[in-house]
Amino acid sequence: NAGVMQNPRHLVRRRGQEARLRCSPMKGHSHVYWYRQLPEEGLKFMVYLQKENIIDESGMPKERFSAEFPKEGPSILRIQQVVRGDSAAYFCASSPTRGPRLTQHFGDGTRLSIL
Amino acid sequence: ELKVEQNPLFLSMQEGKNYTIYCNYSTTSDRLYWYRQDPGKSLESLFVLLSNGAVKQEGRLMASLDTKARLSTLHITAAVHDLSATYFCAVEPTPLVFGKGTRLSVIA
Repeated sequence: NAGVMQNPRHLVRRRGQEARLRCSPMKGHSHVYWYRQLPEEGLKFMVYLQKENIIDESGMPKERFSAEFPKEGPSILRIQQVVRGDSAAYFCASSPTRGPRLTQHFGDGTRLSIL
Repeated sequence: ELKVEQNPLFLSMQEGKNYTIYCNYSTTSDRLYWYRQDPGKSLESLFVLLSNGAVKQEGRLMASLDTKARLSTLHITAAVHDLSATYFCAVEPTPLVFGKGTRLSVIA
């Protein structure tokens, strides 16, 4: 029973390039959350998605960032025209489809480095 | 806006000693989580506290929740080196709001 799978684990991009981060939730989970962790900081919420819907994107920067969770396939966090300040660890979490929202299960994260 | 504050942010303690990490939050919430994170790793769920007065214990760690005071504590008993990590509290409502973390170093 695989947990939340994120890839790649490490991603290096040059300024101005695009970064795509993928997250496959646990089996049976259809709620996905993305968080960003800057060095020496806690996790900050970015966006909450269900299949084909963005439920809450209040933590997403207004420009360059977008997220999707299609009917088939993983959730994608996309960062266009990356800048040095985008360097961080990006964590995805998922929670069950039904019942009370229980503990979110976290993936191992993608560490994004911008050169 | 919900704010979550942890203290201390850094803690160096000797093996065998006891200490408490505090987590204060600013608005009403009835669900609080404690996570552990090792360097370069993901978050490991330690405790979910669901109601006022809840107390949970696992090994040398014990967590409690006082919803009236908006305070949770994580108590470490007789620390050992393996407990060295960063500990985060996080508060609902969804999405979670995290504290900045307490970086714990246990030294011989």
